[in-house]
Amino acid sequence: QKEVEQDPGPLSVPEGAIVSLNCTYSNSAFQYFMWYRQYSRKGPELLMYTYSSGNKEDGRFTAQVDKSSKYISLFIRDSQPSDSATYLCAMSEPGGSYIPTFGRGTSLIVHP
Amino acid sequence: GAVVSQHPSRVICKSGTSVKIECRSLDFQATTMFWYRQFPKQSLMLMATSNEGSKATYEQGVEKDKFLINHASLTLSTLTVTSAHPEDSSFYICSARALERLVNNEQFFGPGTRLTVL
Repeated sequence: QKEVEQDPGPLSVPEGAIVSLNCTYSNSAFQYFMWYRQYSRKGPELLMYTYSSGNKEDGRFTAQVDKSSKYISLFIRDSQPSDSATYLCAMSEPGGSYIPTFGRGTSLIVHP
Repeated sequence: GAVVSQHPSRVICKSGTSVKIECRSLDFQATTMFWYRQFPKQSLMLMATSNEGSKATYEQGVEKDKFLINHASLTLSTLTVTSAHPEDSSFYICSARALERLVNNEQFFGPGTRLTVL
């Protein structure tokens, strides 16, 4: 079992839809949770960062962490074609070097 | 946000040659730089971690003599793929962690370098 599981998709939705992206993990020591967006042939960019459990909202994006279920989500409201990209979850343990473990990414396609 | 650049963005080379990729933090000092490799539709795989002025720490299975990493300053790290072979063809991405952003442990990624070995 991989430490971080993420469905690669692709996930295809119409413009304006609410998108739900998810990751599960097995390492209960993970405390930092991140979502990155990666456009084709580009490096990832950090979208959301949360520590421990709870919700965090930033504009159209909401990140949720449920540590009891070892499950994290990213919701995108009013999705736009420009949101079409690969979304990678990442998580790390506290202490040490904080090097994150990445999911394989979910490819999202928002069609007009 | 902080900016990380990579050069070149794309390189095609013949088998057996060496290729150097540069990673620069443009507007911040990076305590640590990371090198990743990403195959199509796969996740980022960490290759090595480098701190300025010290030897890089390589992940298990990554040949340090093949992937030479030099972190000469707080703004520059280089990855040299020596004697490249077609199986080394991949997307190489660096990231940098800023001194002043240690609280969030945020990494800033470069745009990546597409390496194709013929």
